[in-house]
Amino acid sequence: NAGVTQTPKFRVLKTGQSMTLLCAQDMNHEYMYWYRQDPGMGLRLIHYSVGEGTTAKGEVPDGYNVSRLKKQNFLLGLESAAPSQTSVYFCASSYARGGSEQYFGPGTRLTVT
Amino acid sequence: GESVGLHLPTLSVQEGDNSIINCAYSNSASDYFIWYKQESGKGPQFIIDIRSNMDKRQGQRVTVLLNKTVKHLSLQIAATQPGDSAVYFCAERSGGTSYGKLTFGQGTILTVHP
Repeated sequence: NAGVTQTPKFRVLKTGQSMTLLCAQDMNHEYMYWYRQDPGMGLRLIHYSVGEGTTAKGEVPDGYNVSRLKKQNFLLGLESAAPSQTSVYFCASSYARGGSEQYFGPGTRLTVT
Repeated sequence: GESVGLHLPTLSVQEGDNSIINCAYSNSASDYFIWYKQESGKGPQFIIDIRSNMDKRQGQRVTVLLNKTVKHLSLQIAATQPGDSAVYFCAERSGGTSYGKLTFGQGTILTVHP
């Protein structure tokens, strides 16, 4: 099993550009999450999904959109990137009922200039 | 020690010593408390969790202690090894949400010297 994979690993965007981050998991998990991690800070939840076709906002959702068309994939979109969105983005998944054990991907380092 | 929402402390130990990483939490309604390890350039990795109705849980070389009276959580690592060098995050799971929201602390940097 590959676990949780994320593409791309690195990306540099100019202000105003758009992009999509892809997360895939092969563990048949119901729940998936997108976090951002900024220097000296813990992880903050952007959006999450409790199943295929459902998404919901986390604590810092502004400027991001998500989609979960397939159970194994969770996409994070930035429609108009801003320098404040420079961060490391992590995707995670877990079994139903939001288990305390979340499985994280390796992260995507995004820089917006 | 670490507190959910404050600065990032550091801990340096010698190989073979025991390490204790501390965390303060704020939500009395949390049903699980969890420790994650994050190595440089990688995503966080689950270490151990403890239910809110317990005060101690042991794993392989790790022990988590929960003191609900003072809202304090600690992770003890026995015989610390260089491979234990990482950032350690505590997290609490909100029992009242359907998706098990995790709130992460800001982390403690553990450095193990050979």
